[in-house]
Amino acid sequence: DVKVTQSSRYLVKRTGEKVFLECVQDMDHENMFWYRQDPGLGLRLIYFSYDVKMKEKGDIPEGYSVSREKKERFSLILESASTNQTSMYLCASSLAGPNEKLFFGSGTQLSVL
Amino acid sequence: DAKTTQPTSMDCAEGRAANLPCNHSTISGNEYVYWYRQIHSQGPQYIIHGLKNNETNEMASLIITEDRKSSTLILPHATLRDTAVYYCIVRVGGSNFGNEKLTFGTGTRLTIIP
Repeated sequence: DVKVTQSSRYLVKRTGEKVFLECVQDMDHENMFWYRQDPGLGLRLIYFSYDVKMKEKGDIPEGYSVSREKKERFSLILESASTNQTSMYLCASSLAGPNEKLFFGSGTQLSVL
Repeated sequence: DAKTTQPTSMDCAEGRAANLPCNHSTISGNEYVYWYRQIHSQGPQYIIHGLKNNETNEMASLIITEDRKSSTLILPHATLRDTAVYYCIVRVGGSNFGNEKLTFGTGTRLTIIP
């Protein structure tokens, strides 16, 4: 069965800390995505990557960066965490090509205090 | 991508068919309709998608009106495990770079009543 694994289910960090959220997929997918989900706002795309070392900004990239050194791993980095980055973070992957569906991880609930 | 409108919430009795509507009146000819759902504390899960013909798979059926301005997702025999938020999304098909344009709104919260 396909699997997208996010390293932590819950994470608590302090303001100003550097935070790494890791995502690994075992499906040899070309595309990987990071979303955040907040009540009343739905899912919003932060960054995506369509190949190793390639990245594109999504709708809300400010305050975030990403890294994709290997095909199966896509990391989201909060350089200096702030309280407004408290959120549920969801990683997803898909094959390249038309009409390919997204596969999501279970999410990481990040609290920045 | 076209915007979609869904009811905020719906209830359905267990064992009955759940019919979830979606309006997408500004849909373009090359935009597909996708449905995902999100069960509490999990990531969204793909259900089904279609262009203009009705589609059916092991999870659900998708009925798209002839003018393509609206669609209905049908869960034929709802169970308690179908309680979730259901997202209707439209996106341009035939593109490798279409998935990043998927816009998940707030969806419909479906509650299955025992």
